[in-house]
Amino acid sequence: DQQVKQNSPSLSVQEGRISILNCDYTNSMFDYFLWYKKYPAEGPTFLISISSIKDKNEDGRFTVFLNKSAKHLSLHIVPSQPGDSAVYFCAASATSYGKLTFGQGTILTVHP
Amino acid sequence: DTGVSQDPRHKITKRGQNVTFRCDPISEHNRLYWYRQTLGQGPEFLTYFQNEAQLEKSRLLSDRFSAERPKGSFSTLEIQRTEQGDSAMYLCASSLAASGALSAFFGQGTRLTVV
Repeated sequence: DQQVKQNSPSLSVQEGRISILNCDYTNSMFDYFLWYKKYPAEGPTFLISISSIKDKNEDGRFTVFLNKSAKHLSLHIVPSQPGDSAVYFCAASATSYGKLTFGQGTILTVHP
Repeated sequence: DTGVSQDPRHKITKRGQNVTFRCDPISEHNRLYWYRQTLGQGPEFLTYFQNEAQLEKSRLLSDRFSAERPKGSFSTLEIQRTEQGDSAMYLCASSLAASGALSAFFGQGTRLTVV
């Protein structure tokens, strides 16, 4: 039972363009959503988060959009840079203490 | 650097042996989590501590697994009688109670290989 799904295993984008990473969830109890970036042989690095009371959160080049009715969130990276190439995970929590349910990840490759 | 620290980074062990991993969270963080990640999957929740109390355990955490956080600071995860299916990256994360789920920070992980 995959409660958080990232249906695109990979995404390839040209440097300077927008990267859009998508995530769907099925559990309506999820209230907090986070995006992490992961390089090989390292732990996930926290990028940005959003709570269910908001529909958008922005931090520099990263913006997360949440559509609760569609149970969908997306991460926009503008402009994309080669250093953004990594695996991106979305995660969700139904609790206030941070037990996270992760998607399978999307490999982002940004070409110079 | 005062991030989450995990030791060792890599561990190769023979099937049937016991292994223990250590996690040192960010110093002011009172919440600590263990996750496991296998190839091609996202991390899966194993267990959670608030201070020294273990408040939740996943059904993934079989009887061979035990986690402790004796003084509410560092934590250990022990796997007894390891099996090849235990091969994975074991990740520790920490957060501050006031921030809840919105800023859980991960360590670099311990990669376990059971041969």
